[in-house]
Amino acid sequence: DSGVTQTPKHLITATGQRVTLRCSPRSGDLSVYWYQQSLDQGLQFLIHYYNGEERAKGNILERFSAQQFPDLHSELNLSSLELGDSALYFCASSAGTGGIEQYFGPGTRLTVT
Amino acid sequence: AQTVTQSQPEMSVQEAETVTLSCTYDTSESDYYLFWYKQPPSRQMILVIRQEAYKQQNATENRFSVNFQKAAKSFSLKISDSQLGDAAMYFCAFLNYGGATNKLIFGTGTLLAVQP
Repeated sequence: DSGVTQTPKHLITATGQRVTLRCSPRSGDLSVYWYQQSLDQGLQFLIHYYNGEERAKGNILERFSAQQFPDLHSELNLSSLELGDSALYFCASSAGTGGIEQYFGPGTRLTVT
Repeated sequence: AQTVTQSQPEMSVQEAETVTLSCTYDTSESDYYLFWYKQPPSRQMILVIRQEAYKQQNATENRFSVNFQKAAKSFSLKISDSQLGDAAMYFCAFLNYGGATNKLIFGTGTLLAVQP
């Protein structure tokens, strides 16, 4: 158990819908990273938050957004969902901004039908 | 831009034997870290081993060790005394420390099967 929690574990929704994925980092970790794992794109970085502020963006679609709240949990919002958004979404946390030790949550499996 | 290449989509090893997974990377940065992550069927991403680029000594964690060749930009993982529980997808990853984006860049993975 990495100490990082993600909810829900599984999510099935229809095209055009909006969903919110939630991540709680390890106790004391200020950084949260979001990654997407799909069959065609592999594992890719989406976005990084540190202590409530966005630090870096990767290949994140404009339909996707994220935020980190004062209690340090983070939410990834996916809207206007398409079939191609079906993937496993991971969050990872680390203590500082360096990202050297990133501990991954169990992931949320999103299926868009 | 940094890239990570894993040229072996699948590997197989007999239980108790040794196997080496290959990884090459491309970067112009000097301060970086390399990692091997394991993803078993549960899909959990588990950090196996980490190597700091500034360290010449190869990292070792129990049965797992790396062969880090900085000049060749090669970072292979050796698993000794393979166990059934080692069966998983293994990802090589790169992190540019101190860069604008301290993100992990992953290879495409190597699926390791362990035969009893």
